[in-house]
Amino acid sequence: GQQLNQSPQSMFIQEGEDVSMNCTSSSIFNTWLWYKQDPGEGPVLLIALYKAGELTSNGRLTAQFGITRKDSFLNISASIPSDVGIYFCAGWEIQGAQKLVFGQGTRLTINP
Amino acid sequence: EPEVTQTPSHQVTQMGQEVILRCVPISNHLYFYWYRQILGQKVEFLVSFYNNEISEKSEIFDDQFSVERPDGSNFTLKIRSTKLEDSAMYFCASRPLAGDTPYEQYFGPGTRLTVT
Repeated sequence: GQQLNQSPQSMFIQEGEDVSMNCTSSSIFNTWLWYKQDPGEGPVLLIALYKAGELTSNGRLTAQFGITRKDSFLNISASIPSDVGIYFCAGWEIQGAQKLVFGQGTRLTINP
Repeated sequence: EPEVTQTPSHQVTQMGQEVILRCVPISNHLYFYWYRQILGQKVEFLVSFYNNEISEKSEIFDDQFSVERPDGSNFTLKIRSTKLEDSAMYFCASRPLAGDTPYEQYFGPGTRLTVT
């Protein structure tokens, strides 16, 4: 099946800094989703991207669907303590199976 | 705002026992899913369900697993004879099939399954 490579695996930043993480794949996805997961809870949908080149914002979060359809990035501006958590990219396979493929996650830690 | 709900939040069972994990998907959604997440790892697809039948399943979803939509609201995952390695968080998810956001999948809070 298709694989997503997400980086970095972890980030340690100061409060107020901007954050950037990305996801790449060797094959094409037709939709990218970004989720945040807090400890012991389910993934919460942050942003959905449907078109190559699309740039979408949700508050301090901005995500883009790469024009090759093989990558996506998520930026968080002016980080705050509640941004701590694990961020996952996920994509819908372009053919066949109707299932989400997840990246390995980026664990974000913020020092106040 | 509509949300996916799951019960129980935590299930402890002995190896070899049967467990049933329950989910209530968002009411107007038509596609239902189960995923699992072993501690510290990524979320893994188990099975998708549409129109009262399995549409896709992963290699993890072997004969010990089954899913059912017993009524118009519940969606269940049964593990017939649990193994130690079944210990994980199990997430139910659902999505609409049509409309403005057909591919936006929403997850429940999860059931933590501990097999001893």
